[in-house]
Amino acid sequence: AQSVTQLGSHVSVSEGALVLLRCNYSSSVPPYLFWYVQYPNQGLQLLLKYTSAATLVKGINGFEAEFKKSETSFHLTKPSAHMSDAAEYFCAVSEDQAGTALIFGKGTTLSVSS
Amino acid sequence: EAGVTQFPSHSVIEKGQTVTLRCDPISGHDNLYWYRRVMGKEIKFLLHFVKESKQDESGMPNNRFLAERTGGTYSTLKVQPAELEDSGVYFCASSQSSRQGYIQYFGAGTRLSVL
Repeated sequence: AQSVTQLGSHVSVSEGALVLLRCNYSSSVPPYLFWYVQYPNQGLQLLLKYTSAATLVKGINGFEAEFKKSETSFHLTKPSAHMSDAAEYFCAVSEDQAGTALIFGKGTTLSVSS
Repeated sequence: EAGVTQFPSHSVIEKGQTVTLRCDPISGHDNLYWYRRVMGKEIKFLLHFVKESKQDESGMPNNRFLAERTGGTYSTLKVQPAELEDSGVYFCASSQSSRQGYIQYFGAGTRLSVL
């Protein structure tokens, strides 16, 4: 069965600092991996996705994630945090691209201080 | 283009009452999903419609939950009778097939509080 573990329910960084949100997955088949972000009072918005092409995936708002099969990880990074990045971030896995259900991690709340 | 719309945004009901949540997917999206997040837990899949047919309802917790998608457009999720453990945020998502795969677009959710 597939599962997702997000290490750290809450991460705090200073504005301009590196953002690193950790995600490890478990999957018996080559996974499709996603990062979503939820800003207050909004729906989940797709940041980026990995679908077995390039292992380094670039997303919106300067975020990127690297798929590391040997470590079963898909950590999300951003070189320089901005105040507007404060939100909750979710890592998710799916066993295919054909519309099957997403399996989510518990989410990580990112706080950015000035 | 309008996104996925859910209403109400918040519902407060008493145990034993009935509540109906509605989701309007993005126009043209055949796939519609319901998910739920109980406080402190992860977002969990409930079910998946393809047009008006239930493709996968393996996540539905019990028979107090009834989902419909008449005509393959909007969907409703009815909880009858509601229990305390049904409290949480209910998300709806929709997707269409594309070369880039099925990207699920989410609504803002309905926060259900059962007292």
